Amino acid sequence: DGGITQSPKYLFRKEGQNVTLSCEQNLNHDAMYWYRQDPGQGLRLIYYSQIVNDFQKGDIAEGYSVSREKKESFPLTVTSAQKNPTAFYLCASSIGRTNNEQFFGPGTRLTVL
Amino acid sequence: GQQLNQSPQSMFIQEGEDVSMNCTSSSIFNTWLWYKQDPGEGPVLLIALYKAGELTSNGRLTAQFGITRKDSFLNISASIPSDVGIYFCAGRDSSGSARQLTFGSGTQLTVLP
Repeated sequence: DGGITQSPKYLFRKEGQNVTLSCEQNLNHDAMYWYRQDPGQGLRLIYYSQIVNDFQKGDIAEGYSVSREKKESFPLTVTSAQKNPTAFYLCASSIGRTNNEQFFGPGTRLTVL
Repeated sequence: GQQLNQSPQSMFIQEGEDVSMNCTSSSIFNTWLWYKQDPGEGPVLLIALYKAGELTSNGRLTAQFGITRKDSFLNISASIPSDVGIYFCAGRDSSGSARQLTFGSGTQLTVLP
């Protein structure tokens, strides 16, 4: 089955620790995205990547980092510099930069204790 | 960034009733998307709209791209319990920037038996 997978579903970390969220897609999509969702709010773009080895900051990139070494993978690291990291993180992909239809993974809920 | 105003924020309806929700933007959009999100899951794409005035259906769901290109509407007919969830609109403005998929804050739909 083609799709987007995110792991783990739930993640707990102590304050001050970096944590990496996984996102993998087998849809052969060129573009991938990371969003953050807080209760009662829409999705906010953290980072996006249109091709391998290239990525751009979104609206709330501070305290996050990404890499795009493979087309299928776009991991997100939440660093200790992120002041309020507890949130629901969603990864998405789309065919390419000119295609607007983004398809989402199941999400990872990160709780920082 | 672009602003999307989605209303209503929440709705409580009886099973079998029709539902209507809308989004308005501060600028002209060339794409409107509607997603549904179940609790703890990623959003699922319901309908994509690309032309002003376009009316598209997906089962009991119908969405329209407003003629002014600054709004979109989603209607659900004959609601059923599984329609419960959060409905998000998303749009891309006419500037063409690949990152500019802006999300509304969502409409929480509750269907009462």
